[in-house]
Amino acid sequence: EAQVTQNPRYLITVTGKKLTVTCSQNMNHEYMSWYRQDPGLGLRQIYYSMNVEVTDKGDVPEGYKVSRKEKRNFPLILESPSPNQTSLYFCASSLLTGNPYEQYFGPGTRLTVT
Amino acid sequence: GQQLNQSPQSMFIQEGEDVSMNCTSSSIFNTWLWYKQDPGEGPVLLIALYKAGELTSNGRLTAQFGITRKDSFLNISASIPSDVGIYFCAGASGNQFYFGTGTSLTVIP
Repeated sequence: EAQVTQNPRYLITVTGKKLTVTCSQNMNHEYMSWYRQDPGLGLRQIYYSMNVEVTDKGDVPEGYKVSRKEKRNFPLILESPSPNQTSLYFCASSLLTGNPYEQYFGPGTRLTVT
Repeated sequence: GQQLNQSPQSMFIQEGEDVSMNCTSSSIFNTWLWYKQDPGEGPVLLIALYKAGELTSNGRLTAQFGITRKDSFLNISASIPSDVGIYFCAGASGNQFYFGTGTSLTVIP
């Protein structure tokens, strides 16, 4: 089954404790992206990647890091989480040819930073 | 970042009624997209629009890419209970995506 998976689905952590949210897709998509969703603000793009070793900042990259060492994986790293990073996070992927903007979203990771 | 204004913020309608929502931007986009999000899940793409003036349908859904490239609308005809959810517009500029704040739709049987 074609899908985007994220782990963990739920995470409660404390300020300053480094964490990683994993994202994996099995559709051989070149493009992968991370978003955060906050009430009243919709989804905002954090980082995106066009292919392996190619990453770029989205609209709200501060406080986040990403890496793209393999085509299927695109982890989101919070080196020193703060309470304002409490949010619902989504990973998405799509092709760069054909229908390049048809992103498939993962199920989401709800992060709480205390 | 670029702001997409989506309206209305919420709608309560009777089953069978038609629904219309729209999205406007201060910037031009090359692509407009409409997504639906069910509770506890990620957004799912409904319609993608690639050309100014384009009118595209997907079943009971119809969306249009505004001529100015700064707006788009989505219509849902003959609503049914499973149409309940949050609808998001999104504009693509290069390889970046900008989402609207969403329209929450409630369908009353």
